[in-house]
Amino acid sequence: QKEVEQNSGPLSVPEGAIASLNCTYSDRVSQSFFWYRQYSGKSPELIMSIYSNGDKEDGRFTAQLNKASQYVSLLIRDSQPSDSATYLCAVNTGGFKTIFGAGTRLFVKA
Amino acid sequence: GAVVSQHPSRVICKSGTSVKIECRSLDFQATTMFWYRQFPKQSLMLMATSNEGSKATYEQGVEKDKFLINHASLTLSTLTVTSAHPEDSSFYICSARDYQRNTGELFFGEGSRLTVL
Repeated sequence: QKEVEQNSGPLSVPEGAIASLNCTYSDRVSQSFFWYRQYSGKSPELIMSIYSNGDKEDGRFTAQLNKASQYVSLLIRDSQPSDSATYLCAVNTGGFKTIFGAGTRLFVKA
Repeated sequence: GAVVSQHPSRVICKSGTSVKIECRSLDFQATTMFWYRQFPKQSLMLMATSNEGSKATYEQGVEKDKFLINHASLTLSTLTVTSAHPEDSSFYICSARDYQRNTGELFFGEGSRLTVL
């Protein structure tokens, strides 16, 4: 079992819709959870971090964490074509390493 | 946010030559930096963890004699790809964590695209 799992996609949504990205992790002691966005040919950039159960909202982005289910998700409201990218889920257990999922490719159709 | 700068952004070299990539933390001290490699349409693969003042820790399957890592100061880590071959062509990305912030987030450099002819 992979430590951080994501559906590779592609996930295709129409412009203005809500895009829902999901991630599960295997290590129960994981403490910090991150969503990074990576455009083709570019390095990842952090868009959301979440540390406790529940929802965290930042503009059009909402991260949701459920530690009991070992599940973290990212919702993108009012999706725009510029949101088309690969979204990487990342988990840190408190040690040095951050474990990345393989990423979900999102396409937002104009 | 914290800034990590990587140089060069693109490099083309002949097979058999060595290439050095620099990674700098510009506004914080990074005792630990991480080097990743990413092939087209594939996920990030951690190659090694660079530790200031000590030897790097390499992931399984990564040749330490081929990918030399030096972390001589708190703001600079370098990755040297020695005797590069076409199969080493990839996107190399460094990252660092600002431990003073204690948020766990990684800040990434811009990446270096290596093409070996």
